[in-house]
Amino acid sequence: EAGVAQSPRYKIIEKRQSVAFWCNPISGHATLYWYQQILGQGPKLLIQFQNNGVVDDSQLPKDRFSAERLKGVDSTLKIQPAKLEDSAVYLCASSLRGQRISDNEQFFGPGTRLTVL
Amino acid sequence: AQSVSQHNHHVILSEAASLELGCNYSYGGTVNLFWYVQYPGQHLQLLLKYFSGDPLVKGIKGFEAEFIKSKFSFNLRKPSVQWSDTAEYFCAVNPKAAGNKLTFGGGTRVLVKP
Repeated sequence: EAGVAQSPRYKIIEKRQSVAFWCNPISGHATLYWYQQILGQGPKLLIQFQNNGVVDDSQLPKDRFSAERLKGVDSTLKIQPAKLEDSAVYLCASSLRGQRISDNEQFFGPGTRLTVL
Repeated sequence: AQSVSQHNHHVILSEAASLELGCNYSYGGTVNLFWYVQYPGQHLQLLLKYFSGDPLVKGIKGFEAEFIKSKFSFNLRKPSVQWSDTAEYFCAVNPKAAGNKLTFGGGTRVLVKP
């Protein structure tokens, strides 16, 4: 079974530029998550999708961050404009969202490491 | 808002030593609990999980964790570590009332010296 795919793996941009990250979840997983992991910290949830609808975006800085999952499969996360403090690893995860509790286990992708200069 | 605390940021130990990593959370309701591991250059992987039942749970690679509800703790243990256990370990909590939302601790970097 293929895992969660993310691209690019690395990105370096200057502040005030825009950047987009892409995520392809595990086939059949209805729930998709974007996390931000700043160096030395644990992942922090930015946004959660259930199919193509947003479940939780309470920690997404909406003035500069946006995310979409138009067809309920792939997702993109965009930052516009980027700030120095956005330097982090952006993780995508997915889960099945079934009837069993174990269906909610989250599987993580390799992440995109963003450096903002 | 709930929070998750991992007591040690860095742990260095020798092979065959025992490992215990602390995790405490602040949430009064029912929770699901997880430990994730990130080996160098790899992505986050689930090590073990607790949903209900026996508070002592066993995971992969000889790891186990004990849920102590009265202490709001979910400490990770391994009796005898190997060099290959060098990794960063994250505790995560999912309040059952919060859907599937995970709150992670800050992580503990473990270095096992050969």
